Amino acid sequence: DIVMTQSPLSLPVTLGQPASISCRSSQSLVDSDGNTFLNWFQQRPGQSPRRLFYKVSNRDSGVPDRFSGSGSGTDFTLKISRVEAEDVGIYYCMQGAHWPYTFGQGTKLEIK
Amino acid sequence: EVQLVESGGGLVQPGGSLRLSCAASGYTFSRYWMSWVRQAPGKGLEWVANMKEDGSEKRYVDSVKGRFSISRDNAQNSLYLQMNSLRVEDTAVYYCARASRTQREFWGQGTLVSVSS
Repeated sequence: DIVMTQSPLSLPVTLGQPASISCRSSQSLVDSDGNTFLNWFQQRPGQSPRRLFYKVSNRDSGVPDRFSGSGSGTDFTLKISRVEAEDVGIYYCMQGAHWPYTFGQGTKLEIK
Repeated sequence: EVQLVESGGGLVQPGGSLRLSCAASGYTFSRYWMSWVRQAPGKGLEWVANMKEDGSEKRYVDSVKGRFSISRDNAQNSLYLQMNSLRVEDTAVYYCARASRTQREFWGQGTLVSVSS
């Protein structure tokens, strides 16, 4: 199985400041057509997970543009340009390139 | 509006069985792969099973193979997860999801399965 490793696991951030989460996969997530199936999810306290990005950098509907996704191959990053209170929660990267699909351990973002 | 509503969770003893259901509405159910994803209390996410639109393809994570069975009834817009030989480590919130590699995804609110003696 592909192992997804996130860092940091805890991310205290001051409101209005940027935040960055790293995700590394144990194998390439590029398929034969050149697509990279790396997703980012947000899980707010008490809520179901919500996908933020698919195929690395494609923003899902309703996701604020202060969020951005980037990366290639096995190294990926989720960035928030200016953290807001509603961003508190746990962020997961997830690979959908190879079955079984696997998630990172999660990064808990909190406000300092 | 797309809605996914899970039901069937509860408390069961180790070795027991449960059948989860997911009622879908607001879209053409038969046109999408469907999935079950679980989350143990205070833990991360685990993709449990996938099923193709017409039911011709099913996939399971190794930890549930031979014990869990995913199925669907496209006429009833419903997805199921039959869980047998349940273990303590199967305790989790189980989410039904209309997952997609490129289209918008939808997740239900989840149903809690507790396996304990």
